Amino acid sequence: DQQVKQNSPSLSVQEGRISILNCDYTNSMFDYFLWYKKYPAEGPTFLISISSIKDKNEDGRFTVFLNKSAKHLSLHIVPSQPGDSAVYFCAARENAGNMLTFGGGTRLMVKP
Amino acid sequence: SQTIHQWPATLVQPVGSPLSLECTVEGTSNPNLYWYRQAAGRGLQLLFYSVGIGQISSEVPQNLSASRPQDRQFILSSKKLLLSDSGFYLCAWGLLKKTQYFGPGTRLLVL
Repeated sequence: DQQVKQNSPSLSVQEGRISILNCDYTNSMFDYFLWYKKYPAEGPTFLISISSIKDKNEDGRFTVFLNKSAKHLSLHIVPSQPGDSAVYFCAARENAGNMLTFGGGTRLMVKP
Repeated sequence: SQTIHQWPATLVQPVGSPLSLECTVEGTSNPNLYWYRQAAGRGLQLLFYSVGIGQISSEVPQNLSASRPQDRQFILSSKKLLLSDSGFYLCAWGLLKKTQYFGPGTRLLVL
């Protein structure tokens, strides 16, 4: 049973445009959500997070939106750059827990 | 600042051989430590986590084991590798209820 799902395995975007990566979850006990970026043969790099008490968090070109009623979060990258091309994972943590549950990842390709 | 190291970076091993992957963290004390595996084209699967020396929790029963002999050292082992153990192994650290940070990973190919 996948508690965190990224339904789009890949996304292609033109440089300068907006990239929107989506993530859905089923566990209502999740209270903290994160996005990681991963290049091939490297470890994931933490990008941005959001607590369930917020519906938006912004850091430079990256904004994460959380819709708790829909159990959905999204990562917006504006403007997209070729260096953003990577696999993006969303992850969620349950109340007071130490473990993260990851989605399957979305491969983003930003074309020059 | 905190740093996490993993070695080796790449490993090719025959089926049935033993395995030992090491992870060390610098710049923090009493971190939670994690081992993940990413199989080809798939997401991250949590294998083991540890909240302290000698304390190991296993998430997926399999051919692997983990040990934490020191506060900032986490070891992933196997007595006999299987073909299905091939993958990209990631160590991560985190503090209680905080973000996890990943190491550079070890690519394991079992032939």
